[in-house]
Amino acid sequence: EIVLTQSPGTLSLSPGERATLFCRASQSVSSSRLAWYQQKPGQAPRLLFYGASRRATGIPDRFRVIGSGTDFSLTINRLEPEDLAVYYCQHFGDSPYSFGQGTKLEIK
Amino acid sequence: QVQLVQSGADVKQPGASVKVSCKASGYTFTSYDIHWVRQATGQGLEWLGWMNPYSDDSGYAQTLQGRLTFSRNTSTNTAYLELNRLTSDDTAVYYCARFDVTHSGRGLDPWGQGTLVIVSS
Repeated sequence: EIVLTQSPGTLSLSPGERATLFCRASQSVSSSRLAWYQQKPGQAPRLLFYGASRRATGIPDRFRVIGSGTDFSLTINRLEPEDLAVYYCQHFGDSPYSFGQGTKLEIK
Repeated sequence: QVQLVQSGADVKQPGASVKVSCKASGYTFTSYDIHWVRQATGQGLEWLGWMNPYSDDSGYAQTLQGRLTFSRNTSTNTAYLELNRLTSDDTAVYYCARFDVTHSGRGLDPWGQGTLVIVSS
């Protein structure tokens, strides 16, 4: 079973700064099978990236992902107050298709 | 537009069963798997399993296997989650989501709005 570990647990940054969130897998995952989601308070999660490179519809290019093998990261440039959310990674390697525990992004 | 609309909140007693519906619109229902995810209050996302609406094939997370059943009605484009022998640990928001596969990756998109299930005596 693949376990995803996200870090940091919480990130507190100011508008205009850059956030980097990490997702580490317990075993290698194809980059096309690692997705990222954003969950704003009181809302359902929303897909940010299919796999390690394709943005979902409507996601601004301030959001970027890189990674391969066991190490992946999500970078959010020029933070805006609306980026306040919990961010999750999920793998689609071997079932179960588990999520990381999430990184909470706070905007000062 | 592609949309998943779920049934409303439900309160159940311990030991009872709950059935959550997820009605799809804006796409061909039988062409995409539906995944189910739950989230306890203040907690992270827990993947529960998937269902293929065309074949009726399903896969379940080990933790709930035996208590969880996915089904569908292709006439109404609706997927269902049924969870039996409820305990307080099953109190959570339950989400359905469409599994989208592209040439460059996979992901769950869109998601339903969520259904709050409360298990309480």
